[in-house]
Amino acid sequence: SQKIEQNSEALNIQEGKTATLTCNYTNYSPAYLQWYRQDPGRGPVFLLLIRENEKEKRKERLKVTFDTTLKQSLFHITASQPADSATYLCAPHYGGSQGNLIFGKGTKLSVKP
Amino acid sequence: NAGVTQTPKFQVLKTGQSMTLQCAQDMNHNSMYWYRQDPGMGLRLIYYSASEGTTDKGEVPNGYNVSRLNKREFSLRLESAAPSQTSVYFCAGLGTNEKLFFGSGTQLSVL
Repeated sequence: SQKIEQNSEALNIQEGKTATLTCNYTNYSPAYLQWYRQDPGRGPVFLLLIRENEKEKRKERLKVTFDTTLKQSLFHITASQPADSATYLCAPHYGGSQGNLIFGKGTKLSVKP
Repeated sequence: NAGVTQTPKFQVLKTGQSMTLQCAQDMNHNSMYWYRQDPGMGLRLIYYSASEGTTDKGEVPNGYNVSRLNKREFSLRLESAAPSQTSVYFCAGLGTNEKLFFGSGTQLSVL
């Protein structure tokens, strides 16, 4: 079965710095990979999707990369702000059945002013 | 638009009791999902429905049943609640471009 690992349970950075979160997967590459943000007591909110044939995707201060050789996706938040503090979930989808979307355990990001 | 609405937000059950978690969406999603989220385990898929009238098991279906009543509504039923089912439950609908839209969750405690 597929295994998803997000680099750490928690990441603490200073305001203004770039936060980099890692998502590693085993075995074969997903058809696409999504990143979600989750605030305490709330449901996850979709941020970005990157497909297998794409290297990089950007949205405002967010950037996602997808390296099928390393079996890894990186999620970057540039010029981080305290409002970016949340848990970020990586979710690869392996195609076929719609039940094949798997969520990582998440990385809790804290941005200190 | 309300999006994906879950009820109740909080629930406490005794072992052996039954209850149904309700989920409704007004986003015209064909596919709907039920997840549970536990500390250290992440989100795990319980059941999903690819379209009205169909349901399929996810990773952790034991102890649960679902009903896709119509396109809008997808309910999750616990027939005989167990302490291991203490969790936060999320319903989601699948929008365009494979985006999942989640409800705000139901926090369930089984004593």
